[in-house]
Amino acid sequence: GQQVMQIPQYQHVQEGEDFTTYCNSSTTLSNIQWYKQRPGGHPVFLIQLVKSGEVKKQKRLTFQFGEAKKNSSLHITATQTTDVGTYFCASRQAGTALIFGKGTTLSVSS
Amino acid sequence: ETGVTQTPRHLVMGMTNKKSLKCEQHLGHNAMYWYKQSAKKPLELMFVYSLEERVENNSVPSRFSPECPNSSHLFLHLHTLQPEDSALYLCASSQDSAFGEQFFGPGTRLTVL
Repeated sequence: GQQVMQIPQYQHVQEGEDFTTYCNSSTTLSNIQWYKQRPGGHPVFLIQLVKSGEVKKQKRLTFQFGEAKKNSSLHITATQTTDVGTYFCASRQAGTALIFGKGTTLSVSS
Repeated sequence: ETGVTQTPRHLVMGMTNKKSLKCEQHLGHNAMYWYKQSAKKPLELMFVYSLEERVENNSVPSRFSPECPNSSHLFLHLHTLQPEDSALYLCASSQDSAFGEQFFGPGTRLTVL
């Protein structure tokens, strides 16, 4: 079935290091959304990308949507302990419901 | 706070019990969703309601029965569940059913014994 593959599944970094998670699909995506779920919490919407090649920034977070609209990435510069959590991408392919990736769980040590 | 509330936050039930999960959104949205989140699995969409009408059902077993009496309230009725149904059940809402920005509630942690 339709899937959105997300890598890596886990990532541990030292505070201050950068972090990137990738989201890939074999089919063209209508859009891509990114969510963050803190441990014990619920997913919280971060951003939505719609246009081919789109890049958006939120402070230390940079989101990209690929030119072919089949992949996306979330990059965090100089991680902090508050960045800990699981980051999910989600996308709606044409005519389908929102499909979530399995998420990348980020841990940060100080 | 997200404006989406869920009760109860924790629920333990036996396989022969009947229980209901409740969700309420205070955002004036027109679409509401039930998701299941299990360990090591992606978020699974269970049901979608738009303007109180069910628009999507992702082949969920009949032991899960949704109800949407109005655009602000959503229920998930549970009966004769299995231990593998133990999971975090998340309710979400969005402005419309085009799967725009999803606002999630805190979830109900369900354990089936």
